[in-house]
Amino acid sequence: DTGVSQNPRHKITKRGQNVTFRCDPISEHNRLYWYRQTLGQGPEFLTYFQNEAQLEKSRLLSDRFSAERPKGSFSTLEIQRTEQGDSAMYLCASSVAGDGNQPQHFGDGTRLSIL
Amino acid sequence: GQNIDQPTEMTATEGAIVQINCTYQTSGFNGLFWYQQHAGEAPTFLSYNVLDGLEEKGRFSSFLSRSKGYSYLLLKELQMKDSASYLCALSDYKLSFGAGTTVTVRA
Repeated sequence: DTGVSQNPRHKITKRGQNVTFRCDPISEHNRLYWYRQTLGQGPEFLTYFQNEAQLEKSRLLSDRFSAERPKGSFSTLEIQRTEQGDSAMYLCASSVAGDGNQPQHFGDGTRLSIL
Repeated sequence: GQNIDQPTEMTATEGAIVQINCTYQTSGFNGLFWYQQHAGEAPTFLSYNVLDGLEEKGRFSSFLSRSKGYSYLLLKELQMKDSASYLCALSDYKLSFGAGTTVTVRA
């Protein structure tokens, strides 16, 4: 399977703990995006990379969230000092670079549950 | 925000046609995308429009009118497997999604 891969699929943790998710994009895609989705809502943009450069970060994103893409391939999203409101599905997507009209292909997501 | 509005739910009969409308209040975007999302699964790309007009891809068609701030997704010859959420999204590199329309196809 050469689609977008996310790990883990599920994460349950206690409030206050740190969590890290990984995303492996489609190999020829140099743009990588992170979104968060809660029940009954569409995905909400968090941040995106072109190669290893983080080009945009949502103004709504807390300082507890950080993302990296050190070699321009896989990416990690870390949440520090988790809160119950962080419970959501975290989706990663990738695309080729272009004029913004290249379809983004999504992974199956990591479902985070905060106890 | 871009105030992207879609109906919450729609129900249709197998074999019929359903039109899902999407309205928005911004002019600053590159294109408008439609995604399908089955419960518990990732969104999958269906169609997109950059210019005004109709784009047809098999049983799915999408229409855009930038001047009216309006798009629709047309699903023809509905099948049971088309029961899913349909998401409208505006692109300026990142995607800004509406809340989605849940379509239920009944036999």
